[in-house]
Amino acid sequence: NAGVTQTPKFRILKIGQSMTLQCTQDMNHNYMYWYRQDPGMGLKLIYYSVGAGITDKGEVPNGYNVSRSTTEDFPLRLELAAPSQTSVYFCASSYSAWGRGDTDTQYFGPGTRLTVL
Amino acid sequence: TQLLEQSPQFLSIQEGENLTVYCNSLSVFSSLQWYRQEPGEGPVLLVTVVTGGEVKKLKRLTFQFGDARKDSSLHITAAQPGDTGLYLCAGSDIQGAQKLVFGQGTRLTINP
Repeated sequence: NAGVTQTPKFRILKIGQSMTLQCTQDMNHNYMYWYRQDPGMGLKLIYYSVGAGITDKGEVPNGYNVSRSTTEDFPLRLELAAPSQTSVYFCASSYSAWGRGDTDTQYFGPGTRLTVL
Repeated sequence: TQLLEQSPQFLSIQEGENLTVYCNSLSVFSSLQWYRQEPGEGPVLLVTVVTGGEVKKLKRLTFQFGDARKDSSLHITAAQPGDTGLYLCAGSDIQGAQKLVFGQGTRLTINP
């Protein structure tokens, strides 16, 4: 199993450009998440999905869009890149999210380091 | 908005010493998780604590969830250079773990 894979690993964008960050998991997990991590900070939830076709906003959704057409894939779209979106983006997945046990374990991808100039 | 404050933010100690990292909040969490993150990688779950007052041990690491489920601590005994990394706590509320709230992290350096 590859776990959670993310592409690209690095990207530099100009202000106003758009791009899609790809995320794929092969663990048949129901839940998928997108986080951003700014330097010296913890992770902040951007969007999450509880299954194919169902997505919801997290703490910092502005400037981003997501879709979940399959169980495996959860792409994150930046439409008009801004310098404030410079960050490291992590995708994660979990089998459940009941908040009570091991099946809630979130498995993270290696991250995409994005710079907007 | 729920907030988790971790302290200290940075800690550099010698191999063999003991240390404690704290994770505090004014909010009640249904469960709390501790992660470790290496440079250039995503966080990896170390433990989940669910019950107030719960203590879990993972080799030299001891995790405790406060009685009121508002705080947690991570204690490392006889720290080793391999313990170096960023330690993150994350809490989930009663609605479930789909919206984890992360602390800002504690960057730990163990010097040989």
